[in-house]
Amino acid sequence: AQSVTQLGSHVSVSEGALVLLRCNYSSSVPPYLFWYVQYPNQGLQLLLKYTTGATLVKGINGFEAEFKKSETSFHLTKPSAHMSDAAEYFCAVSDTGTASKLTFGTGTRLQVTL
Amino acid sequence: GAGVSQSPSNKVTEKGKDVELRCDPISGHTALYWYRQSLGQGLEFLIYFQGNSAPDKSGLPSDRFSAERTGGSVSTLTIQRTQQEDSAVYLCASSLGPHSNQPQHFGDGTRLSIL
Repeated sequence: AQSVTQLGSHVSVSEGALVLLRCNYSSSVPPYLFWYVQYPNQGLQLLLKYTTGATLVKGINGFEAEFKKSETSFHLTKPSAHMSDAAEYFCAVSDTGTASKLTFGTGTRLQVTL
Repeated sequence: GAGVSQSPSNKVTEKGKDVELRCDPISGHTALYWYRQSLGQGLEFLIYFQGNSAPDKSGLPSDRFSAERTGGSVSTLTIQRTQQEDSAVYLCASSLGPHSNQPQHFGDGTRLSIL
């Protein structure tokens, strides 16, 4: 069974600082990988995904993530945090192939301070 | 275009009552998913529909939970004889097709509170 580990349930950064949210997966076969963001009282919004091809993936709002097979990681980064980035972030994986459920990490709440 | 629409946005009911939660997916999306988000369990998969069929029901927690999808569009999640542990946010998602590289688009959820 797949599993996803997000290190750090809460991360606090200053506005303008680098954002780094960590995600590691456990799967015998490299899965598809996703990052979602959730703002209060809203659903999940897709930030970016890795399926095949280039391992550095760029998403919306200036976020990017790099798939590292050797480290089974898919960490999310943004060079300069903005106050509007404060939200909860979820890493998720799915099996490749026909439609498959997402398995989510426990989430990381990002706080951005002045 | 319109996103995934869920109703009601909030539902408060007494223990033992039945509830129905509705999901209207993005037009043309053939795949539909239900998830549950709760403080103790995080985000959990419940059921997946491709068209009107449910090839994966593995996440339904008990036989009190059921779901259907009609016309390849609207889906209803029904919880019978609700219990306090059913309190959670129920999220619906849809995707364009059956391949798992298609991203899932989520609605804002139904917040269910069982008194």
